[in-house]
Amino acid sequence: NAGVMQNPRHLVRRRGQEARLRCSPMKGHSHVYWYRQLPEEGLKFMVYLQKENIIDESGMPKERFSAEFPKEGPSILRIQQVVRGDSAAYFCASSQRTSGGNNEQFFGPGTRLTVL
Amino acid sequence: GIQVEQSPPDLILQEGANSTLRCNFSDSVNNLQWFHQNPWGQLINLFYIPSGTKQNGRLSATTVATERYSLLYISSSQTTDSGVYFCAVDSGSARQLTFGSGTQLTVLP
Repeated sequence: NAGVMQNPRHLVRRRGQEARLRCSPMKGHSHVYWYRQLPEEGLKFMVYLQKENIIDESGMPKERFSAEFPKEGPSILRIQQVVRGDSAAYFCASSQRTSGGNNEQFFGPGTRLTVL
Repeated sequence: GIQVEQSPPDLILQEGANSTLRCNFSDSVNNLQWFHQNPWGQLINLFYIPSGTKQNGRLSATTVATERYSLLYISSSQTTDSGVYFCAVDSGSARQLTFGSGTQLTVLP
């Protein structure tokens, strides 16, 4: 079984450019979470999506950041007009979220974004 | 929001030693997970353990939900155990994970 896939693994952008990060959840998983890990810090929740719906974006900056999870294709985290403070590792996680309450999340390898 | 505290923040062991990592959380949780972030940055699922005790090889974990803490035990540590160990709890309506700040483990040969 393929795990959570993310691409690219490394992304370098200059200030002002756009960054697009992709995440394909595990097979059978319809819940996607994005987290950000700043250098030397733990992971912080950004946004939770189900197919075609943003459920909770309370952890995502209000400006320049957006996320989607279309009916077909991967989930996309988009950062417009990147700044140096956006440099971080961005992780995607997926879960199956059974009716019994199991919401174990499995993480992708992350995308390391460097803003020059 | 919920607070998650891990201790110790850093731990240096000689290969073969045993260790206990602790995770305290400030409110009731739906679930709790332990992860190992290896030196390459990948997050490896260790345990999904909202309550009780589980074992997987040299690792075991115990969560006492009523007292709001979890413990991760590593026995006969190996150099490949090095990395950061994170505890994360699932408590919000969206079921997002709130992570502790981690324990940096270094196992020396």
